[in-house]
Amino acid sequence: GAGVSQTPSNKVTEKGKYVELRCDPISGHTALYWYRQSLGQGPEFLIYFQGTGAADDSGLPNDRFFAVRPEGSVSTLKIQRTERGDSAVYLCASSLIGGGTEAFFGQGTRLTVV
Amino acid sequence: ELKVEQNPLFLSMQEGKNYTIYCNYSTTSDRLYWYRQDPGKSLESLFVLLSNGAVKQEGRLMASLDTKARLSTLHITAAVHDLSATYFCAVEIGGATNKLIFGTGTLLAVQP
Repeated sequence: GAGVSQTPSNKVTEKGKYVELRCDPISGHTALYWYRQSLGQGPEFLIYFQGTGAADDSGLPNDRFFAVRPEGSVSTLKIQRTERGDSAVYLCASSLIGGGTEAFFGQGTRLTVV
Repeated sequence: ELKVEQNPLFLSMQEGKNYTIYCNYSTTSDRLYWYRQDPGKSLESLFVLLSNGAVKQEGRLMASLDTKARLSTLHITAAVHDLSATYFCAVEIGGATNKLIFGTGTLLAVQP
């Protein structure tokens, strides 16, 4: 597609449930990032993929969060046993090769845990 | 810990006026980005600054980077209402990660 696509755009889930958020990056972009944006804040880094591998997952808040990118294109962010504090907008971005190349962001998935 | 601070956090200005948003960061980086975010929308890339002294202009916006001072500025010339949005600067951390550390954002409201 022309840009980074994220699905769903909105997700409401009950506390304790499992959710998956999907990101489809720009075709040909090897670098993929997940960020989390809480209300009134700037995005915070979660994880960075270069190709299929997670080159840096230091931003994942705890072991309930996990992300994969098995074929080096689409990525899925998985959250287990969701908590109300997980409510935020989850943004995905991709760039051509990573450092020094412009990152393009998707429209985000707004996750609400009730 | 890297900190990226923007000043001011909120800016209300009249159309036609000029103003500057400042972005200070606490560690060495040669790469800085500016993004715009409209309410409920994602981030739109405005400028990519890749070296000390870099200056880029697009329309009424001009961004500059001073890596020695660890400072970037976003200058608004003759503001118009359409520029109302939140503006973020983001510093790229190099090495294997190339992740972005975002500032707190500046909410710009241009009054007609």
